[in-house]
Amino acid sequence: KAGVTQTPRYLIKTRGQQVTLSCSPISGHRSVSWYQQTPGQGLQFLFEYFSETQRNKGNFPGRFSGRQFSNSRSEMNVSTLELGDSALYLCASSRDWGGNNEQFFGPGTRLTVL
Amino acid sequence: LAKTTQPISMDSYEGQEVNITCSHNNIATNDYITWYQQFPSQGPRFIIQGYKTKVTNEVASLFIPADRKSSTLSLPRVSLSDTAVYYCLVVGYSGAGSYQLTFGKGTKLSVIP
Repeated sequence: KAGVTQTPRYLIKTRGQQVTLSCSPISGHRSVSWYQQTPGQGLQFLFEYFSETQRNKGNFPGRFSGRQFSNSRSEMNVSTLELGDSALYLCASSRDWGGNNEQFFGPGTRLTVL
Repeated sequence: LAKTTQPISMDSYEGQEVNITCSHNNIATNDYITWYQQFPSQGPRFIIQGYKTKVTNEVASLFIPADRKSSTLSLPRVSLSDTAVYYCLVVGYSGAGSYQLTFGKGTKLSVIP
């Protein structure tokens, strides 16, 4: 069974630009969650989607948004990039929504903002 | 919202049992505790989850005392391949389907030959 895939794996952008990251969940998984990982703040929850609906959202500004498609694939968008947005962005899928379900993480997208 | 505290790092020799404790002093009644393992350049991987007392699976045990203010991940007979960062996660439900995920900062375990 294929794991969670994320594209691209690496990305370099400049301040003020926007970026879209993509995540394909494990087949049969309908929930996709996004996380930001930085050395200083650790792992922080961004949001979770299930059946194309955002089920929960972490404490991030509105510049961070996401969506989920009917095939459960998800995209995350960050607008007006700031230097502090440089991080590893992780996507995780699970069969059902809610934080207690076992989550399967992808390898992440390393975003560098210059 | 529960806050979690873990040791930053730990060293252990191969073959020893390793116990990593996570403090979550203000954990709510309905919060679960989950542990994840992360290797460099990879996403975290689920290890074990529990609510109270003891949970055991094929790779680890999780001990949660009655007051649930801490939890201990126990790895029996570690090997070099267990060198990784271990995260404690507390999931708190606040009603109406809303919940918060609070990850610890992670404990870097180094297994020494």
